[in-house]
Amino acid sequence: EAEVAQSPRYKITEKSQAVAFWCDPISGHATLYWYRQILGQGPELLVQFQDESVVDDSQLPKDRFSAERLKGVDSTLKIQPAELGDSAMYLCASSEGLAGGNTDTQYFGPGTRLTVL
Amino acid sequence: TQLLEQSPQFLSIQEGENLTVYCNSSSVFSSLQWYRQEPGEGPVLLVTVVTGGEVKKLKRLTFQFGDARKDSSLHITAAQPGDTGLYLCAGSPPGTASKLTFGTGTRLQVTL
Repeated sequence: EAEVAQSPRYKITEKSQAVAFWCDPISGHATLYWYRQILGQGPELLVQFQDESVVDDSQLPKDRFSAERLKGVDSTLKIQPAELGDSAMYLCASSEGLAGGNTDTQYFGPGTRLTVL
Repeated sequence: TQLLEQSPQFLSIQEGENLTVYCNSSSVFSSLQWYRQEPGEGPVLLVTVVTGGEVKKLKRLTFQFGDARKDSSLHITAAQPGDTGLYLCAGSPPGTASKLTFGTGTRLQVTL
């Protein structure tokens, strides 16, 4: 069964350092999402890609966060510099990218748990 | 911003008991999804409901979408320890099939 892959699964870093997370969506999925989830809460969307283009990054803290999906397949999310408040689970999801009124089901990867010391 | 409030936030019950989790909003959603998430893993989709009043059953789980498509409930019959996890509802605003607004989550623990 096709799955969304993420790496690393766990990352510990010190504040002010740079970190990067990688996501490989399900093959053929046009839409890719990055979410941040604080422990015990629901995920919050950081950025959404349609193929290689950003369609929504309104909640991405652009002073320190960046995301790219250069070839419209896998994606990287970077934080520089990391702050204590960035400690969270970072989830990647992908969907087919259905248009119209159809529900576009999102499939999630296992996430990267970031701890900033 | 469309908010989804879930209740209760935490629920600890014994094996065999029944429970209901609620997901409420003041906004209309074109569809609503329920996910279960285990510690250290990503959310896994359980069901999608799209029609007001729709009821879907998945073994011991029963999902209902409110008539006005503003709320939903998840009922678990005869809970088992394997049901333990974080239950999340997520709604798609009308006209935005690819966007999800997640609820605040309900953490369920089922003990023997």
